[in-house]
Amino acid sequence: DAGVTQSPTHLIKTRGQQVTLRCSPKSGHDTVSWYQQALGQGPQFIFQYYEEEERQRGNFPDRFSGHQFPNYSSELNVNALLLGDSALYLCASSLIYRAEDEQYFGPGTRLTVT
Amino acid sequence: GNSVTQMEGPVTLSEEAFLTINCTYTATGYPSLFWYVQYPGEGLQLLLKATKADDKGSNKGFEATYRKETTSFHLEKGSVQVSDSAVYFCALRHTDKLIFGTGTRLQVFP
Repeated sequence: DAGVTQSPTHLIKTRGQQVTLRCSPKSGHDTVSWYQQALGQGPQFIFQYYEEEERQRGNFPDRFSGHQFPNYSSELNVNALLLGDSALYLCASSLIYRAEDEQYFGPGTRLTVT
Repeated sequence: GNSVTQMEGPVTLSEEAFLTINCTYTATGYPSLFWYVQYPGEGLQLLLKATKADDKGSNKGFEATYRKETTSFHLEKGSVQVSDSAVYFCALRHTDKLIFGTGTRLQVFP
C-alpha cells in the first residue's frame, strides 16, 4: 500500500518565478491538504482539496493556488516567488468527515528561492 | 483563535532518562489532539492521538493524556533511546485541518 508521495524532492527557483509541486495521496484517501514548514517552525496550513474543489484555506496570499484531479492527486502552484517562500512543503491525505483519523504526510518538497 | 503552545527546545537527555514535552492548546470545542514526530530529512509521522477528554494515546513507549481541565496534552516516555532523537510536534485538528506547535527538538545521547 503506497503512502503519500510528493515530487520533486528538492527544487531551486529564482525570485519571481513560478513553481508547481505534486502530491499523490495514500490509496483510498479522497482529501489532500498542503502545509508550509519554514525552517525551525511547525507546519502551517495552506489549503485543502476535496472533490476537486478548494474546501478551506489558511492565511496565505492568492499567489498560492492548487488543483485536485479526478484521481485525487493534487498540485500546489506558487507564483511570483519570494525569498520567504523557501520552505519544506508537505502534502497530507485523509478521508473526509473522519476527524478522529490521522492525516498521512508525504516526505515533502524542499523549495529554495534564491 | 485556535493555537498550540509547546515548550522550547532543544531537550537534551541521556539514554534511559525520563522525557516530558509540555503542550497546551487553545481551542473552541473539543478538538482531536495529536503528537507527530519528524526525523531528520523526513516528513511527519503520527506518534499518537487522543480524540476526547481523558483519553490516553500511546505508541512505542510514548504516552499523552487529553486533559480538558488544563487544556494540555503533554508527551511522556519513561526511558528514551538515542533513536528517539527527532523533532516532536503537538497538534490539534480543527475543521479538518491541523494546527501545529512550533516543535520541540529532542536530543538523546548515549
